[in-house]
Amino acid sequence: NAGVMQNPRHLVRRRGQEARLRCSPMKGHSHVYWYRQLPEEGLKFMVYLQKENIIDESGMPKERFSAEFPKEGPSILRIQQVVRGDSAAYFCASSATGDSYNEQFFGPGTRLTVL
Amino acid sequence: AQKITQTQPGMFVQEKEAVTLDCTYDTSDQSYGLFWYKQPSSGEMIFLIYQGSYDEQNATEGRYSLNFQKARKSANLVISASQLGDSAMYFCAMREGLSNFGNEKLTFGTGTRLTIIP
Repeated sequence: NAGVMQNPRHLVRRRGQEARLRCSPMKGHSHVYWYRQLPEEGLKFMVYLQKENIIDESGMPKERFSAEFPKEGPSILRIQQVVRGDSAAYFCASSATGDSYNEQFFGPGTRLTVL
Repeated sequence: AQKITQTQPGMFVQEKEAVTLDCTYDTSDQSYGLFWYKQPSSGEMIFLIYQGSYDEQNATEGRYSLNFQKARKSANLVISASQLGDSAMYFCAMREGLSNFGNEKLTFGTGTRLTIIP
């Protein structure tokens, strides 16, 4: 049973370009969460999605950031017109319904570097 | 106010000794969950242990145990018989509210960097 998959693992973009980060949840998981980790900091919640729905986007920056989790295919975190401050590790986690404590399984992360 | 506070930015521990990593939390919810994750230098997040707010027993998973003191709002991680492979960042995290009621997001502390000395 494959774990949470994220790609790419490393992404380099120049300022002003777009970054698209992909997350495939564990099989059978319908809940996806995105977190951002700045260097030497803990993870910060960004957005929580279920299939075709954004449930909680309270941690998403108001501009340039968007996320989706379509009926088919991976969840996508999209950052438009990247700036140097977007350089971070972006983690995706997934969980299933019905678990006693709804453990979130994390992917390996995507390290975004903005030049 | 910080919801999760980890006051030890770094710790050095001799191999085979036990180590306690501190975590205090702040919530007004009666139902919540507390998690510990390990992040080695390779960067992935590894789940270690979970404690629910209504669990009466302290959680244990192999060499990991969680010293849960509800009245003090602390959830310290204890690693027994430390090994070189335990060197990593350790994050305490909290989920507020009951699972499956929509409040699924985790709030993380700033972490403790643990270094095991041979």
